[in-house]
Amino acid sequence: DQQVKQNSPSLSVQEGRISILNCDYTNSMFDYFLWYKKYPAEGPTFLISISSIKDKNEDGRFTVFLNKSAKHLSLHIVPSQPGDSAVYFCAALTGNQFYFGTGTSLTVIP
Amino acid sequence: DAGVIQSPRHEVTEMGQEVTLRCKPISGHNSLFWYRQTMMRGLELLIYFNNNVPIDDSGMPEDRFSAKMPNASFSTLKIQPSEPRDSAVYFCASSFGGGVREQYFGPGTRLTVT
Repeated sequence: DQQVKQNSPSLSVQEGRISILNCDYTNSMFDYFLWYKKYPAEGPTFLISISSIKDKNEDGRFTVFLNKSAKHLSLHIVPSQPGDSAVYFCAALTGNQFYFGTGTSLTVIP
Repeated sequence: DAGVIQSPRHEVTEMGQEVTLRCKPISGHNSLFWYRQTMMRGLELLIYFNNNVPIDDSGMPEDRFSAKMPNASFSTLKIQPSEPRDSAVYFCASSFGGGVREQYFGPGTRLTVT
């Protein structure tokens, strides 16, 4: 049973435009959320995170939004660059329980 | 630092054979995590160790899977006997202080069981 879901397996965006990656979760006990980026043949790398007590966290071109009532998380990348092309995983944490989504493959078209 | 090191990078084996995946965490990190990635389920946490002691193995799918951490610089994930449905990419990650928030992942081992 997937507690963290990424319903869009892929997304294509033009360079310079905004990329929006979405994530839904089912467990209201999750208290911390993370986004990871993964290039082919490499392990995931941490990108940005947000605590459940916040609704927004920004780091450069990356912003994560949290809507607790909707149990929805999103990652905005503005402006998108070709180097952002990768698979993005969202993850949720409660205590020692850690769950990843299935990933969204982002392609930024030059 | 070399980062988390995993070996082999690719493994192809026949059903029923024993498979051993290896991981060397980042020096100084005291927590180690094993994950499995599949298309259907994404990344799943299998087990994690803190100070070489298994803390939570509830993600280990079956008794065919076992993991050990004999010392702070080495861990193994063993599958015996292997089955085709075990085919996946297996990642090892390490962190300092037991936190999952600051994990560093290895490059993964792609396992194919025929």
